[in-house]
Amino acid sequence: GAGVSQSPSNKVTEKGKDVELRCDPISGHTALYWYRQSLGQGLEFLIYFQGNSAPDKSGLPSDRFSAERTGGSVSTLTIQRTQQEDSAVYLCASSLGGWSTDTQYFGPGTRLTVL
Amino acid sequence: DQQVKQNSPSLSVQEGRISILNCDYTNSMFDYFLWYKKYPAEGPTFLISISSIKDKNEDGRFTVFLNKSAKHLSLHIVPSQPGDSAVYFCAATGGADKLIFGTGTRLQVFP
Repeated sequence: GAGVSQSPSNKVTEKGKDVELRCDPISGHTALYWYRQSLGQGLEFLIYFQGNSAPDKSGLPSDRFSAERTGGSVSTLTIQRTQQEDSAVYLCASSLGGWSTDTQYFGPGTRLTVL
Repeated sequence: DQQVKQNSPSLSVQEGRISILNCDYTNSMFDYFLWYKKYPAEGPTFLISISSIKDKNEDGRFTVFLNKSAKHLSLHIVPSQPGDSAVYFCAATGGADKLIFGTGTRLQVFP
């Protein structure tokens, strides 16, 4: 079956602009995660959805970052007034359940470059 | 505060030899550990995991060892193959908490 997909694969934007990143999880997966990987860094947790609810938003770095999930499926990560330090690869993952021991399946990521 | 550390950013191993990737953690509440493998331009894929009730888990060429007293785990790949060349991430979690990832080790297996 289809894996996790993300769009766009690459996004170049100017500082101060807003961007939206999309994630389509595996069908039937109730849990959805957003991570980012900055240059030379590990995967940094951003937010976790169980269904359409986000019980853990602790990783969002500032109030410029927000995310939503609709219909228990597609999720959008929005970054407002982008800054150069937002440049990173943004990865989405989904899992069947919400337990941290459930295998997370990752999408290919969106590479965001803020000029 | 890096709770999961992979101190070797890169490792180069000859084909057929053993690759050993190391990971250290600081949080004693972690009770489940995973290794993910990442090829360029792809998302990480799950490789192998281990619960804290075990000290070893094996899956084909891949074995993960856990030393709880030292807060250390390692991934052994034997024999190493060129297709194993990738970035390997160690991750840990405790209870129902989120995964915490290390910074990754780039493994290169040469002929």
